[in-house]
Amino acid sequence: AQTVTQSQPEMSVQEAETVTLSCTYDTSENNYYLFWYKQPPSRQMILVIRQEAYKQQNATENRFSVNFQKAAKSFSLKISDSQLGDTAMYFCAFMKHSTGTYKYIFGTGTRLKVLA
Amino acid sequence: SAVISQKPSRDICQRGTSLTIQCQVDSQVTMMFWYRQQPGQSLTLIATANQGSEATYESGFVIDKFPISRPNLTFSTLTVSNMSPEDSSIYLCSVDGGSGNQPQHFGDGTRLSIL
Repeated sequence: AQTVTQSQPEMSVQEAETVTLSCTYDTSENNYYLFWYKQPPSRQMILVIRQEAYKQQNATENRFSVNFQKAAKSFSLKISDSQLGDTAMYFCAFMKHSTGTYKYIFGTGTRLKVLA
Repeated sequence: SAVISQKPSRDICQRGTSLTIQCQVDSQVTMMFWYRQQPGQSLTLIATANQGSEATYESGFVIDKFPISRPNLTFSTLTVSNMSPEDSSIYLCSVDGGSGNQPQHFGDGTRLSIL
């Protein structure tokens, strides 16, 4: 069975600085997808970034980028130029690429606080 | 991306009662998912709901406690039955992004408190 681990329950960063959130996972699958979701206090889950396992290039979305190390089963999220609005819970999620099965497995989350 | 409306947004219920949560999507989707998020915890999948078939429940969740309906491709309900304080959680619905490799889209969640 797949598992997702986020080893940092809480982190803080100064506004405009850079922070990296870690995520590791365990799977025997070769094809899968990885996601980072953000959950602000409003509790809506918002997609931050997505990575396909078959792509070697790390995904980037504006200030957000990932460091995907497939062999190490690591998928960290880097937030550059942190903003106060980045304060939220961040969840890493794994999805197996299998027709008809699109279930997510979520990590335990990292609470990020951006300090003014 | 799909727009998902979830109702109610929050409720406070008495022990032993049941509550039905609605999830409405603005487009037809194949799969809808129901999650539970206990206070300060991550999301745990309760079940997957496909239109026209019985929901598929994850280990630890049973139909008698969490009956689910999926009458069409844009709507689903989750009922939390015979509630106890341990059922106090946020319940979220999500929909598949379309082709399987697209991210799920989530509703705003229902915050449920049981007295």
